[in-house]
Amino acid sequence: AQSVTQLGSHVSVSEGALVLLRCNYSSSVPPYLFWYVQYPNQGLQLLLKYTTGATLVKGINGFEAEFKKSETSFHLTKPSAHMSDAAEYFCAVTDSSYKLIFGSGTRLLVRP
Amino acid sequence: DSGVTQTPKHLITATGQRVTLRCSPRSGDLSVYWYQQSLDQGLQFLIQYYNGEERAKGNILERFSAQQFPDLHSELNLSSLELGDSALYFCASSRSRDRANYGYTFGSGTRLTVV
Repeated sequence: AQSVTQLGSHVSVSEGALVLLRCNYSSSVPPYLFWYVQYPNQGLQLLLKYTTGATLVKGINGFEAEFKKSETSFHLTKPSAHMSDAAEYFCAVTDSSYKLIFGSGTRLLVRP
Repeated sequence: DSGVTQTPKHLITATGQRVTLRCSPRSGDLSVYWYQQSLDQGLQFLIQYYNGEERAKGNILERFSAQQFPDLHSELNLSSLELGDSALYFCASSRSRDRANYGYTFGSGTRLTVV
């Protein structure tokens, strides 16, 4: 069965610093991978997705992620953190029955 | 506004009661998914409907049931409620029946509190 592991339930960075949120997956089929963001008291918003093709995908708000098959990873990065990036981030993978399986989430804190 | 509408936004009810959560998918989307988000379990997939038919089932309790109507809106029914059912319930929709090529579009959720 597919699964997603997000390393670090909390990540804290200074404003302007690099953001790196880690995601590793297991999948018996070529995966489709997603990152979602959840702001307080809101639903999940799609940041970016990888289905096929280019392994470096760009999303909204300056985020990007790289699919590395050899490392079974799909880490999310942003060169310079803004205060508005503070939120919870979820990595997700489709499973063999095509539903989205979510990781446990990483809460990003941005220090002024 | 994501285009997925969930009502009500908040619900407080007593143990043993039954509630119905409603979801209207984004225009053009035929699949509806229900997820439960709690602090200890994270985001758990409950059930998927596609064009009125049940497509996939996850960790949904027997006390819970769902359906999708001809106009594609969906309802999640939770009965014999327990304190542990307190959670955020999300509905999501997509165009696909199967592989989530486009990802899902989520509603803003219904926060259920069982007292």
